[in-house]
Formats: sequence, structure tokens, C-alpha cells
Amino acid sequence: DADVTQTPRNRITKTGKRIMLECSQTKGHDRMYWYRQDPGLGLRLIYYSFDVKDINKGEISDGYSVSRQAQAKFSLSLESAIPNQTALYFCATSDPHRGRLHEKLFFGSGTQLSVL
Amino acid sequence: GENVEQHPSTLSVQEGDSAVIKCTYSDSASNYFPWYKQELGKRPQLIIDIRSNVGEKKDQRIAVTLNKTAKHFSLHITETQPEDSAVYFCAASTLSNAGGTSYGKLTFGQGTILTVHP
Repeated sequence: DADVTQTPRNRITKTGKRIMLECSQTKGHDRMYWYRQDPGLGLRLIYYSFDVKDINKGEISDGYSVSRQAQAKFSLSLESAIPNQTALYFCATSDPHRGRLHEKLFFGSGTQLSVL
Repeated sequence: GENVEQHPSTLSVQEGDSAVIKCTYSDSASNYFPWYKQELGKRPQLIIDIRSNVGEKKDQRIAVTLNKTAKHFSLHITETQPEDSAVYFCAASTLSNAGGTSYGKLTFGQGTILTVHP
């Protein structure tokens, strides 16, 4: 089945370290997103990309950067990790149908990141 | 920007009872309202959605209602079962534009932890 895959599933790192979370998809979707989930705060958008040449900041982009290496790959980087970036991170994709602007999100399996 | 408030944060019911989760939104331009279910250790998945031209939508034991005037929408689960236990997220989508591309910008609520006791 077509899927959205995230690596790693779990990561523990130290304050100040650079870390990259990777996302790849076989759904053939153009649109990709990075969200973080914190208890009591829901899902918050970090960055999104509508195609390989398009990158947009979400509501909480400070401290993060992204790279869209190909239609199927979208990576999230923390240049200098800090403890309050400890969270569950989800990659997602969507596929806009003609005339429909609101699209179902397909989430990856998530990456639990702990910054000590 | 849009703000979505979701209540309650936790909900505990007995198997067979009904469960209701409520969300309010601030932007009257929002016109699409999906609900996602996240089982323990799993990824969120869309379970039902409603568009602003519809007041109610049902799918077996789940239903969603929308009151555009009051800017609130609710998820109703009837005859709850233990497998309904999960975190539920509401969201509101507003038409936005990024670099000349129109899209529905989603804002999520804080989530509700639903526990169904056998």
C-alpha cells in the first residue's frame, strides 16, 4: 500500500545537537507537511511544501528548517536542538483534487524526539 | 488567524453510552471541518468531515453537527465501544494563499482523550 514513512521512529539527542527527521512517501502526493504534537496543544504546523520548489513557514517554524529533496521526500532539521523541542513529530501529505481546496491529510507513523 | 478550542480535554464513558466532543472556531470564513482519530501509538486518521453548506453528517455510529452562526461543531459517537478509545482532534480549514497557490489552511483543536470502559 502507498504510505508515508518517517525515520527514525524514536530519537534521543542532547541540547545543541543538529538533528534531521526524514519523511518519504509513495502516495504520489505533491503536498507535504511537518507537524508537531504536544499534549494539550494538538497538532501545530511547522512547515509545508506544495511542490519541490515551494517551501512555506507554518505557525511554529522558529528553530526548524526543511528541505524538499524530491516530490517524495521532505526532511525537517533542528539546527541546534533545545529541550522544548521534545515532541512527537508527524509528516503528512495531501492530494488536492480539481475544484477541492480542502484535502484529507495522510499522516506518517511519527517520530518521537527527546532533547535532553 | 483561526483559533480552535476543543472541549473536554478528557472524556470517560461506559461502553454503550454516547460521547460528545465540542469545538468552537473564531474565523467565520472557515468552511471545512474534519475530525481525526489517533489511537494509542498510532498516526491520526480522518474519520469524518463536514463542509459549511451542510448542518449534519452521519457515518454509522459517528455524526458531526455544525452551527455556523454560533461557530461551533461537535462530534457525536453513539453506542461507544472500547475500540473508540483514542485521542480525537477537530480542525477548521480556511481558504488561504501561499505563493499564488490556494489551499485550505487547517487549524487543529487541542485534542480530547476519550476512554471507553468495558
